[in-house]
Amino acid sequence: DSGVTQTPKHLITATGQRVTLRCSPRSGDLSVYWYQQSLDQGLQFLIHYYNGEERAKGNILERFSAQQFPDLHSELNLSSLELGDSALYFCASRANGGTEAFFGQGTRLTVV
Amino acid sequence: LAKTTQPISMDSYEGQEVNITCSHNNIATNDYITWYQQFPSQGPRFIIQGYKTKVTNEVASLFIPADRKSSTLSLPRVSLSDTAVYYCLVGENQGNLIFGKGTKLSVKP
Repeated sequence: DSGVTQTPKHLITATGQRVTLRCSPRSGDLSVYWYQQSLDQGLQFLIHYYNGEERAKGNILERFSAQQFPDLHSELNLSSLELGDSALYFCASRANGGTEAFFGQGTRLTVV
Repeated sequence: LAKTTQPISMDSYEGQEVNITCSHNNIATNDYITWYQQFPSQGPRFIIQGYKTKVTNEVASLFIPADRKSSTLSLPRVSLSDTAVYYCLVGENQGNLIFGKGTKLSVKP
């Protein structure tokens, strides 16, 4: 158990819909990272939050948004879903200046 | 962020030592070299991190030459359960975590 919790584990939704993925980082970790991993693909960096503020953006679509709340949990919002958005979405957390990032078990999103 | 280059795939047999090399020619002074392991449908897991010379833990060793433009992850006596994708990352510990395509290691009996 990495200490990072992602909910839900699985999500099936229709095209055009909107979903919210949740990530609870390890206690005290200020950094949260979000990634998308499509089938047999690498981890695509989406966004990095640090203590509630956006630190960096990667290849995140305009239809996607995220935020980190005062209690440090984070949510990734995906809207106007398309079939190609079907993927595993991972979040990771890391302590300030920490060596190691800890990943959650991911949310598997299926868009039908 | 320094770009990394690794072999796309490697094959090995159980009991052998596996060395995976990563090139990072543009590594910066404050950058560390970190390796992660990922099994299918699971989040990556930290293996080892180093700055220079050699680092060893209970899982692997990391060799970094003096110029730090490359690094080698060494897995001693691999087993079938070491079949996974291995990622080399270069960056500051408070910075972003950018994963490349990784090296898919297949261990055969």
